Amino acid sequence: DQQVKQNSPSLSVQEGRISILNCDYTNSMFDYFLWYKKYPAEGPTFLISISSIKDKNEDGRFTVFLNKSAKHLSLHIVPSQPGDSAVYFCAVSNSGYALNFGKGTSLLVTP
Amino acid sequence: NAGVTQTPKFQVLKTGQSMTLQCAQDMNHEYMSWYRQDPGMGLRLIHYSVGAGITDQGEVPNGYNVSRSTTEDFPLRLLSAAPSQTSVYFCATLGEQYFGPGTRLTVT
Repeated sequence: DQQVKQNSPSLSVQEGRISILNCDYTNSMFDYFLWYKKYPAEGPTFLISISSIKDKNEDGRFTVFLNKSAKHLSLHIVPSQPGDSAVYFCAVSNSGYALNFGKGTSLLVTP
Repeated sequence: NAGVTQTPKFQVLKTGQSMTLQCAQDMNHEYMSWYRQDPGMGLRLIHYSVGAGITDQGEVPNGYNVSRSTTEDFPLRLLSAAPSQTSVYFCATLGEQYFGPGTRLTVT
């Protein structure tokens, strides 16, 4: 039974606009949430994280929002750039490691 | 500073063969882990280690062995390869903040 769901397999956004990637989880015990970016034939690259004591965390163009009551998190990328085109994974944990990953969303940013 | 390195990059095995996937890190991190990624799937945790001499199972440990004799190295052993183990394997460290480039394994 999948504990982390990324319901959009793909997303296409124009350069300069906002990209919003969504993730839902099932277990309220999860307290640490991460986003990764992955290019083909490479390992995942850590982007940004948030703990359950916060509802927002920003790092440059990337912002993660956490809605604990809805068990939902989202990643906003503003402004989107062609180099952001990749697969994005959300991951959750209740220990800080040993993550549960979603299946990923493929983002395409078009010029 | 090489970060997390994995060898080999590619490997083809026949069913029943054994092999070891190597993972090394030069950042002196205590925590290391192994994940596999199958097509259209997220990464799934195989085994992890919180320090030398300490290992534990993840979500999909069957068919794999690990040991951690040094902080730097965390090899993953396939004892008798099966086609179901065809996958891309990633090693990670420091609470999955750093991932290696992956090993693509095909079992025929």
